[in-house]
Parts: sequence; structure tokens; C-alpha cells
Amino acid sequence: GAGVSQTPSNKVTEKGKYVELRCDPISGHTALYWYRQSLGQGPEFLIYFQGTGAADDSGLPNDRFFAVRPEGSVSTLKIQRTERGDSAVYLCASSATIPVGGPQFFGPGTRLTVL
Amino acid sequence: TQLLEQSPQFLSIQEGENLTVYCNSSSVFSSLQWYRQEPGEGPVLLVTVVTGGEVKKLKRLTFQFGDARKDSSLHITAAQPGDTGLYLCAGAYSGNTGKLIFGQGTTLQVKP
Repeated sequence: GAGVSQTPSNKVTEKGKYVELRCDPISGHTALYWYRQSLGQGPEFLIYFQGTGAADDSGLPNDRFFAVRPEGSVSTLKIQRTERGDSAVYLCASSATIPVGGPQFFGPGTRLTVL
Repeated sequence: TQLLEQSPQFLSIQEGENLTVYCNSSSVFSSLQWYRQEPGEGPVLLVTVVTGGEVKKLKRLTFQFGDARKDSSLHITAAQPGDTGLYLCAGAYSGNTGKLIFGQGTTLQVKP
């Protein structure tokens, strides 16, 4: 498809387990963002990639969260030792434009539930 | 800390009514974007405003960026049931990486 895709769409896991969430951005988009959206809230920035490198990871809540983008396209968000408070919708967005403020195209999100 | 405050958080109106959603901050943004989000989907960009005082229209939707680039409003004329959804404002800072700071959103329900 032409849009941003995310897999899985839903993930249920148990407290303490490890999870990986995948994002496939729009082809050719160099910028990739991860956000987290809790129920009734707006998305909260986690990390931004420009190409393969994490240009801004200031939003990652702690060292249990890590993200990679090894070839500059697909990205994986990894969460270790999941906690119930990690339950949220994880959104990925990609953008072709620089400078700042260009349109970001969002995927449908992965709903993570930690039991 | 909520850097962007949206109001109201919930709005339920009848078809045909007008409404305004506000987005306020103490910070100056280089640009401000408005998104609409449907259940189970990601936000979809409606408009980007960049210049202080700028007004943009998208059919029945009118967006305004404050003169000081700290606030914005979204006005919908003659709302329709198809306008139902979550409306989000998001700001970007000058010199930033492009990350967006989102408000908490306004849930709009338009009843037929």
C-alpha cells in the first residue's frame, strides 16, 4: 500500500515480557517518528529517525524502550520488561520534508495491552 | 506538563450548528498543524499554519494562527455528522527535529 503500515495491529502481552512493534514508512520518506497515545490523550513524541540514525530520542520514557532503523526504512520499537503502564497505542509517522513542520503521515497504530 | 491546551475536550452538538475549538500555549511555535483522528486510525493532517495571523479555509473549516504564534483555533460552520471525530492540534518548534507536540484533543460528536 501507499501509506504507513504498522504490525501487529494489536498486541497483548504479560507484564515483564519483551515486545517488538514494527513500522513500514511511506517509500522514500527519510524521516520516521514514533509516538505513544494513551486513552483520551493526544500522541506523545518518543523518538525521531533521520535515515538510519536516531536524531532525537528525548521522548523515550526510560531505558526499557529502544528503537532501530538499520536500513533507513523499516523501524522497530522494542520494549523490554513491559509494565502495565506501557499499555497504549503506539503510532508511527513518516515524513519526506525538511524543514521543520512538514506534514507527517501516520500509520493506524499498534494497540499494546500489558496484562 | 501539557504544553498545548485544547478546549473544549468534549463537544456534542446538533447537525447544522457552528463550533470553535481552541488550542493555547505559552510557547511560540514555528508552525502549528491540525489533525483529525477516527477510532482505530492514525491522525490525518488537515492543515498547517506557519505565519502569525494566518487564516486558512478548508471547505467549512476555518483555521487561524494567533499573531504571536502561541495559539490557534478551528472553526467549523454548519457541522455535519461526518465531522465527528477527534481533533488534535500539534505544534513544531523552530530549529527542532520536526517532532510534534500534541494537545490532548477535542472529541466532537455531531448528532443528525
